Amino acid sequence: DQQVKQNSPSLSVQEGRISILNCDYTNSMFDYFLWYKKYPAEGPTFLISISSIKDKNEDGRFTVFLNKSAKHLSLHIVPSQPGDSAVYFCAASGPNAGKSTFGDGTTLTVKP
Amino acid sequence: GAVVSQHPSRVICKSGTSVKIECRSLDFQATTMFWYRQFPKQSLMLMATSNEGSKATYEQGVEKDKFLINHASLTLSTLTVTSAHPEDSSFYICSAGTGTSGGLADTQYFGPGTRLTVL
Repeated sequence: DQQVKQNSPSLSVQEGRISILNCDYTNSMFDYFLWYKKYPAEGPTFLISISSIKDKNEDGRFTVFLNKSAKHLSLHIVPSQPGDSAVYFCAASGPNAGKSTFGDGTTLTVKP
Repeated sequence: GAVVSQHPSRVICKSGTSVKIECRSLDFQATTMFWYRQFPKQSLMLMATSNEGSKATYEQGVEKDKFLINHASLTLSTLTVTSAHPEDSSFYICSAGTGTSGGLADTQYFGPGTRLTVL
């Protein structure tokens, strides 16, 4: 039973437009959500996070939205840049747990 | 931000040999480190939780006798793949957090990963 799902394996966006990456979860105990970015042959790097007490967190071009009732979160990147092309992992964790459960990732391609 | 290193970055070994991968938190102390394995086109799979000074906690399906984890200090955890076989070829990633247990889940900082190829 996959508790964190990223249903879109890939997404292609034109440079300058908005990229929206989606993530759904099933475990209602999750209270902390993170997005990671991963380039080929490198470890993931932390991008942005959101606690369940919030519904939005913004950091520069990156905004994460959380809809707890729908158990859904999304990452918005605007404007998208070619350097944003990477695999984006959604992750979730519960109280007192340092480890995260990851989705399968979405490969974002930003075309110049 | 916090930095986690891994060594080696790439290793090629013969079937039947053992390989040790080091994970270090360079500028912070990590009481807990995590080891992940990534299969092609798949998510990161948590293998085990490495606790300083105690035995690692392995996820279901992960052979603890094959993947030996030692958390010798607050800045170093090692993963040893014993009697490696070609199916062990993968990308191994460690992570460490800066938070303390008991609070909200902290941000994980990942190492750059180690590409293991078993011939």
